[in-house]
Amino acid sequence: ELQLVESGGGLVQPGRSLGLSCTASGFTFGDYAMSWFRQAPGKGLEWVGLIRSKAYGGTTEYAASVKGRFTISRDDSKSIAYLQINSLKTEDTAVYYCTRALGTGWPFDPWGQGTLVTVSS
Amino acid sequence: DIVMTQSPDSLAVSLGERATINCKSSQSVLYSSNNKNYLTWYQQKPGQPPKLLISWASARESGVPDRFSGSGSGTDFTLTISSLQAEDVAVYYCQQYYSTPYTFGQGTKLEIK
Repeated sequence: ELQLVESGGGLVQPGRSLGLSCTASGFTFGDYAMSWFRQAPGKGLEWVGLIRSKAYGGTTEYAASVKGRFTISRDDSKSIAYLQINSLKTEDTAVYYCTRALGTGWPFDPWGQGTLVTVSS
Repeated sequence: DIVMTQSPDSLAVSLGERATINCKSSQSVLYSSNNKNYLTWYQQKPGQPPKLLISWASARESGVPDRFSGSGSGTDFTLTISSLQAEDVAVYYCQQYYSTPYTFGQGTKLEIK
């Protein structure tokens, strides 16, 4: 069964760092670009960034709002995508979702259930 | 950045009636070399992740009921639910994947009248 499972969320103080993981199963992970999105409580969806497959250089792109603080990486041998968040701000409070696409310019499907990150002192 | 604007923000429709949600992009998401519109529609129910309903503006995903349809091209798109069912209560988002940053409409909350 095709599945994406996020983990690593929790309550974190402002200024601290947090690492999220997205563990994939049911498909050939290395063939896909992986992307992270987030949704603040009661708000809409926001794209965070993506990492391309190794076939397309494994390069990353980020939303301007997170560039420099967020880092996406992948371990194809473990079928895991990572999101490292540094210098957390209260406005980073959100459910973080991972999803996959065949590449940039392809739709994202499916999405994981998400992991909640709460930034508060 | 491509700005996506949905209308209306909320919508109440009677069971069995048609629901129509519009989405407008600030620039065309039609890629001329392949004549495809890089536009998806997602359905999100409370406490759940988004579910892909339609990609390429009009291609219904496998398993999505045929009462859902997408139309439009360029900058103007529509999601239509031909006969509203109780399980269709959700927030619906359009999203462009033409270029990064990928952007969403603000969402349309669909309720039963």
